[in-house]
Amino acid sequence: AQTVTQSQPEMSVQEAETVTLSCTYDTSESDYYLFWYKQPPSRQMILVIRQEAYKQQNATENRFSVNFQKAAKSFSLKISDSQLGDAAMYFCAYRTIIQGAQKLVFGQGTRLTINP
Amino acid sequence: DTAVSQTPKYLVTQMGNDKSIKCEQNLGHDTMYWYKQDSKKFLKIMFSYNNKELIINETVPNRFSPKSPDKAHLNLHINSLELGDSAVYFCASSQGPTWVFGPGTRLTVL
Repeated sequence: AQTVTQSQPEMSVQEAETVTLSCTYDTSESDYYLFWYKQPPSRQMILVIRQEAYKQQNATENRFSVNFQKAAKSFSLKISDSQLGDAAMYFCAYRTIIQGAQKLVFGQGTRLTINP
Repeated sequence: DTAVSQTPKYLVTQMGNDKSIKCEQNLGHDTMYWYKQDSKKFLKIMFSYNNKELIINETVPNRFSPKSPDKAHLNLHINSLELGDSAVYFCASSQGPTWVFGPGTRLTVL
Protein backbone atom coordinates (compact mmCIF):
# COMPACT_ATOMS: atom_id res chain seq x y z
CA ALA A 1 0.00 0.00 0.00
CA GLN A 2 1.15 3.50 -0.73
CA THR A 3 2.30 5.43 2.33
CA VAL A 4 3.36 9.03 2.81
CA THR A 5 5.70 10.07 5.62
CA GLN A 6 6.35 13.55 6.92
CA SER A 7 9.09 13.19 9.52
CA GLN A 8 8.90 16.74 10.88
CA PRO A 9 5.83 17.23 13.11
CA GLU A 10 6.78 20.89 13.65
CA MET A 11 9.04 23.43 11.97
CA SER A 12 9.67 27.08 12.60
CA VAL A 13 11.37 29.78 10.55
CA GLN A 14 12.10 33.46 10.81
CA GLU A 15 10.02 35.72 8.64
CA ALA A 16 11.66 36.35 5.24
CA GLU A 17 13.85 33.26 5.50
CA THR A 18 13.61 29.95 3.66
CA VAL A 19 12.30 26.69 5.06
CA THR A 20 12.10 23.19 3.61
CA LEU A 21 9.48 20.63 4.61
CA SER A 22 10.26 16.97 4.00
CA CYS A 23 8.09 14.23 2.56
CA THR A 24 8.86 10.69 1.49
CA TYR A 25 6.52 8.16 -0.01
CA ASP A 26 6.42 4.51 -0.88
CA THR A 27 4.99 3.25 -4.14
CA SER A 28 5.53 0.71 -6.88
CA GLU A 29 3.74 2.84 -9.46
CA SER A 30 5.71 4.66 -12.15
CA ASP A 31 3.21 7.39 -12.98
CA TYR A 32 1.50 9.29 -10.20
CA TYR A 33 0.84 12.73 -8.75
CA LEU A 34 2.15 14.34 -5.59
CA PHE A 35 0.67 17.33 -3.81
CA TRP A 36 1.35 19.76 -1.02
CA TYR A 37 -1.67 21.18 0.78
CA LYS A 38 -1.78 24.03 3.27
CA GLN A 39 -4.30 24.03 6.10
CA PRO A 40 -4.41 27.36 8.00
CA PRO A 41 -6.36 27.75 11.25
CA SER A 42 -9.49 28.31 9.15
CA ARG A 43 -9.09 24.54 8.38
CA GLN A 44 -9.64 25.04 4.65
CA MET A 45 -7.47 22.67 2.58
CA ILE A 46 -5.61 24.80 0.05
CA LEU A 47 -3.59 23.31 -2.80
CA VAL A 48 -0.06 24.73 -2.74
CA ILE A 49 1.60 22.79 -5.52
CA ARG A 50 1.20 19.66 -7.64
CA GLN A 51 3.87 17.51 -9.27
CA GLU A 52 3.40 14.93 -11.99
CA ALA A 53 5.83 12.07 -11.57
CA TYR A 54 6.64 11.75 -15.26
CA LYS A 55 7.76 15.38 -15.40
CA GLN A 56 11.37 15.74 -14.37
CA GLN A 57 11.12 19.48 -13.91
CA ASN A 58 10.34 20.53 -10.36
CA ALA A 59 7.04 22.37 -9.97
CA THR A 60 7.08 25.98 -8.73
CA GLU A 61 4.35 28.39 -7.69
CA ASN A 62 5.69 31.83 -6.80
CA ARG A 63 7.57 31.44 -3.47
CA PHE A 64 6.81 27.71 -3.29
CA SER A 65 8.87 25.09 -5.06
CA VAL A 66 9.47 21.39 -4.73
CA ASN A 67 12.51 19.17 -4.89
CA PHE A 68 11.20 15.99 -6.47
CA GLN A 69 13.61 13.08 -6.32
CA LYS A 70 11.78 10.18 -7.97
CA ALA A 71 14.41 7.51 -7.39
CA ALA A 72 14.65 8.43 -3.72
CA LYS A 73 10.84 8.82 -3.46
CA SER A 74 11.28 12.20 -1.89
CA PHE A 75 9.13 15.29 -2.41
CA SER A 76 10.17 18.26 -0.28
CA LEU A 77 8.55 21.70 -0.27
CA LYS A 78 10.67 24.84 -0.14
CA ILE A 79 9.08 28.09 0.96
CA SER A 80 11.17 31.15 0.17
CA ASP A 81 10.82 34.58 1.78
CA SER A 82 8.51 33.16 4.46
CA GLN A 83 5.57 35.34 5.39
CA LEU A 84 3.39 35.38 8.49
CA GLY A 85 0.49 34.13 6.37
CA ASP A 86 2.43 30.95 5.58
CA ALA A 87 1.88 29.71 9.13
CA ALA A 88 -0.25 26.57 8.84
CA MET A 89 -0.29 22.79 8.78
CA TYR A 90 1.25 21.46 5.59
CA PHE A 91 0.27 18.08 4.22
CA CYS A 92 2.05 16.04 1.59
CA ALA A 93 -0.27 13.79 -0.42
CA TYR A 94 0.03 11.05 -3.02
CA ARG A 95 -2.61 10.19 -5.56
CA THR A 96 -3.10 6.48 -5.95
CA ILE A 97 -5.46 4.57 -8.25
CA ILE A 98 -6.75 1.22 -7.07
CA GLN A 99 -9.11 -0.76 -9.31
CA GLY A 100 -9.97 2.35 -11.26
CA ALA A 101 -10.74 4.45 -8.18
CA GLN A 102 -8.42 7.26 -7.23
CA LYS A 103 -7.80 8.63 -3.78
CA LEU A 104 -5.36 10.91 -1.99
CA VAL A 105 -3.19 9.41 0.72
CA PHE A 106 -1.92 12.02 3.16
CA GLY A 107 1.13 12.29 5.35
CA GLN A 108 0.86 13.14 9.03
CA GLY A 109 1.37 16.85 8.47
CA THR A 110 3.97 19.43 9.53
CA ARG A 111 2.97 22.42 11.60
CA LEU A 112 4.89 25.47 10.35
CA THR A 113 5.37 28.49 12.59
CA ILE A 114 6.65 31.79 11.26
CA ASN A 115 8.55 33.92 13.80
CA PRO A 116 8.34 37.69 13.23
CA ASP B 1 -19.13 31.04 -6.06
CA THR B 2 -18.27 28.28 -3.60
CA ALA B 3 -16.91 25.27 -5.49
CA VAL B 4 -17.47 22.64 -2.77
CA SER B 5 -19.81 23.55 0.06
CA GLN B 6 -20.72 21.67 3.22
CA THR B 7 -23.48 22.17 5.74
CA PRO B 8 -23.33 22.58 8.61
CA LYS B 9 -19.86 23.94 9.37
CA TYR B 10 -20.23 23.07 13.04
CA LEU B 11 -22.26 20.31 14.64
CA VAL B 12 -22.50 19.68 18.38
CA THR B 13 -24.61 16.76 19.51
CA GLN B 14 -25.10 14.18 22.21
CA MET B 15 -23.90 10.59 22.12
CA GLY B 16 -26.44 8.26 20.57
CA ASN B 17 -27.98 10.85 18.27
CA ASP B 18 -28.20 10.59 14.48
CA LYS B 19 -26.88 13.41 12.32
CA SER B 20 -26.26 14.24 8.67
CA ILE B 21 -23.72 16.37 6.83
CA LYS B 22 -24.49 17.62 3.34
CA CYS B 23 -22.05 18.36 0.53
CA GLU B 24 -22.54 19.98 -2.86
CA GLN B 25 -20.11 20.76 -5.66
CA ASN B 26 -20.71 23.00 -8.66
CA LEU B 27 -17.56 22.07 -10.55
CA GLY B 28 -19.05 19.31 -12.66
CA HIS B 29 -16.60 16.80 -11.19
CA ASP B 30 -17.42 13.12 -11.53
CA THR B 31 -16.02 11.94 -8.22
CA MET B 32 -16.79 12.98 -4.65
CA TYR B 33 -15.27 11.92 -1.35
CA TRP B 34 -15.60 12.02 2.40
CA TYR B 35 -12.43 12.37 4.43
CA LYS B 36 -12.10 12.35 8.22
CA GLN B 37 -9.50 14.46 10.04
CA ASP B 38 -8.94 13.26 13.59
CA SER B 39 -7.72 15.16 16.61
CA LYS B 40 -4.09 14.61 15.58
CA LYS B 41 -4.87 16.22 12.19
CA PHE B 42 -4.48 12.95 10.30
CA LEU B 43 -6.62 12.85 7.14
CA LYS B 44 -8.05 9.55 5.99
CA ILE B 45 -10.46 8.71 3.22
CA MET B 46 -13.79 7.21 4.21
CA PHE B 47 -15.82 6.95 1.01
CA SER B 48 -15.69 7.81 -2.66
CA TYR B 49 -18.51 8.06 -5.19
CA ASN B 50 -18.21 8.28 -8.95
CA ASN B 51 -21.35 9.38 -10.78
CA LYS B 52 -23.52 8.33 -7.81
CA GLU B 53 -21.86 4.92 -7.53
CA LEU B 54 -19.90 3.93 -4.42
CA ILE B 55 -16.37 3.02 -5.49
CA ILE B 56 -14.32 3.29 -2.32
CA ASN B 57 -15.49 2.18 1.10
CA GLU B 58 -12.62 2.12 3.56
CA THR B 59 -12.96 0.34 6.87
CA VAL B 60 -15.68 2.51 8.30
CA PRO B 61 -18.31 1.45 10.89
CA ASN B 62 -21.74 0.64 9.48
CA ARG B 63 -23.11 3.58 11.44
CA PHE B 64 -21.72 5.78 8.66
CA SER B 65 -23.83 5.74 5.52
CA PRO B 66 -23.05 7.94 2.53
CA LYS B 67 -25.68 8.78 -0.06
CA SER B 68 -25.26 10.43 -3.45
CA PRO B 69 -28.61 11.51 -4.91
CA ASP B 70 -26.85 12.93 -7.97
CA LYS B 71 -23.37 13.68 -9.25
CA ALA B 72 -23.23 17.05 -7.53
CA HIS B 73 -24.26 15.94 -4.05
CA LEU B 74 -22.81 13.59 -1.47
CA ASN B 75 -24.28 13.36 2.00
CA LEU B 76 -23.03 11.56 5.09
CA HIS B 77 -25.42 10.19 7.66
CA ILE B 78 -24.12 8.98 11.00
CA ASN B 79 -26.23 6.84 13.33
CA SER B 80 -25.77 6.36 17.06
CA LEU B 81 -22.98 8.90 17.38
CA GLU B 82 -20.05 8.00 19.64
CA LEU B 83 -17.44 10.16 21.35
CA GLY B 84 -14.82 8.86 18.92
CA ASP B 85 -16.73 10.27 15.98
CA SER B 86 -15.69 13.76 17.03
CA ALA B 87 -13.55 15.03 14.16
CA VAL B 88 -13.55 17.33 11.15
CA TYR B 89 -15.21 15.80 8.12
CA PHE B 90 -14.17 17.05 4.71
CA CYS B 91 -16.03 16.61 1.49
CA ALA B 92 -13.97 16.80 -1.70
CA SER B 93 -14.47 16.39 -5.42
CA SER B 94 -12.06 15.52 -8.20
CA GLN B 95 -11.73 15.36 -11.93
CA GLY B 96 -8.51 13.71 -13.02
CA PRO B 97 -5.66 15.02 -10.85
CA THR B 98 -7.59 18.14 -9.82
CA TRP B 99 -9.00 18.00 -6.31
CA VAL B 100 -11.07 20.57 -4.43
CA PHE B 101 -11.95 20.32 -0.75
CA GLY B 102 -14.92 21.74 1.08
CA PRO B 103 -14.52 23.90 4.19
CA GLY B 104 -15.00 20.98 6.57
CA THR B 105 -17.61 20.20 9.22
CA ARG B 106 -16.42 20.09 12.80
CA LEU B 107 -18.45 17.44 14.61
CA THR B 108 -18.34 17.39 18.39
CA VAL B 109 -20.03 14.54 20.24
CA LEU B 110 -20.67 15.17 23.93
